Amino acid sequence: GAVVSQHPSWVICKSGTSVKIECRSLDFQATTMFWYRQFPKQSLMLMATSNEGSKATYEQGVEKDKFLINHASLTLSTLTVTSAHPEDSSFYICSARGPRGDEQFFGPGTRLTVL
Amino acid sequence: DAKTTQPPSMDCAEGRAANLPCNHSTISGNEYVYWYRQIHSQGPQYIIHGLKNNETNEMASLIITEDRKSSTLILPHATLRDTAVYYCIVRVGNSGGFKTIFGAGTRLFVKA
Repeated sequence: GAVVSQHPSWVICKSGTSVKIECRSLDFQATTMFWYRQFPKQSLMLMATSNEGSKATYEQGVEKDKFLINHASLTLSTLTVTSAHPEDSSFYICSARGPRGDEQFFGPGTRLTVL
Repeated sequence: DAKTTQPPSMDCAEGRAANLPCNHSTISGNEYVYWYRQIHSQGPQYIIHGLKNNETNEMASLIITEDRKSSTLILPHATLRDTAVYYCIVRVGNSGGFKTIFGAGTRLFVKA
């Protein structure tokens, strides 16, 4: 089956630094990828939709200048949390739309802790 | 997209069938019912989806009512590893603009 990977699986950083999270579709090409954030004991919240070669579409309330998304190739999307603060600590999950068009495959998530 | 309503939590005995209900009374004719689950600290896992007919795969069965306003996910023989949060989602299928919005889900506890 289709596999989506994320790197790193966890990261700890100091407040004020920037962190980049990678999302890769390993055995298929994904023109569309999605980024979610999940706080403890809460559901996944869609942050943005990333389309290869174009600007991401952000959900209402998500700061596009803080959460930079780049989808430069058909197998890679990156999320950069700029000037991270403790309140940005969360579980970040990406997913990729599958080749059939109606499937969505999720990565294992990246746990970000900002000290 | 249509919204769904699920019970916040359910218990099930190991080896028994787990029946997880979902209400989606405002579902549109072109929207599918999808089920995902999320085991603690992992990414969501696809389980099954359907439009109007009942569906079965190696993981589960999906029963959709005739009026499509509700559905039930059935795990025929629950194991301890099925303990997870189960999300029922409705969305269009093969469409350029689809996005999956998660509700609160049902936290299923499978007990020995």
